[in-house]
Amino acid sequence: GQQLNQSPQSMFIQEGEDVSMNCTSSSIFNTWLWYKQEPGEGPVLLIALYKAGELTSNGRLTAQFGITRKDSFLNISASIPSDVGIYFCAGPVLGTYKYIFGTGTRLKVLA
Amino acid sequence: NAGVTQTPKFQVLKTGQSMTLQCAQDMNHNSMYWYRQDPGMGLRLIYYSASEGTTDKGEVPNGYNVSRLNKREFSLRLESAAPSQTSVYFCASSVVDSPLHFGNGTRLTVT
Repeated sequence: GQQLNQSPQSMFIQEGEDVSMNCTSSSIFNTWLWYKQEPGEGPVLLIALYKAGELTSNGRLTAQFGITRKDSFLNISASIPSDVGIYFCAGPVLGTYKYIFGTGTRLKVLA
Repeated sequence: NAGVTQTPKFQVLKTGQSMTLQCAQDMNHNSMYWYRQDPGMGLRLIYYSASEGTTDKGEVPNGYNVSRLNKREFSLRLESAAPSQTSVYFCASSVVDSPLHFGNGTRLTVT
């Protein structure tokens, strides 16, 4: 089946550093979603992207929909301790209501 | 605003026992989903219901059944639990072509 490959798997960074992570697929997507999950909770939507090339920001977070429609990127600027969590990319398989998720990037921020 | 509510929050079963995980949403969403989350595996789709009266298999449906009871409720049943079904189960809902909203999960252990 289709897979979303996320990298890196985990990151340990110092508070104040910028973070970049990405998600790639062998198939095209019309929508890319980025979620964050904190311990003991369900994933929460951060950013939704609907158009190839689109660049969207949400505070210190910026995400881009790759022009090939097979990848997406998430950047976090000036990280803070509450950025800790697992970040997932997701998208609907083309022509279906079936949303698949990447394996996640686990972020730890050292104060 | 409750959003997506999952019950129970925690459950321990013995191998071979059955149980039903309940999910209800109060956002008038058409589509509902069940995922399982295992360490390093991300979120994997078990079953989904694009609209009331329809259900479809996801990536890992074996060992599970679902019922879309009405527009609000979507239950997941384990007929004969196995240790391999130890996981965190998340329910989610959405309107058409919109991102998923998640509940806070059911933590299931099968011994």
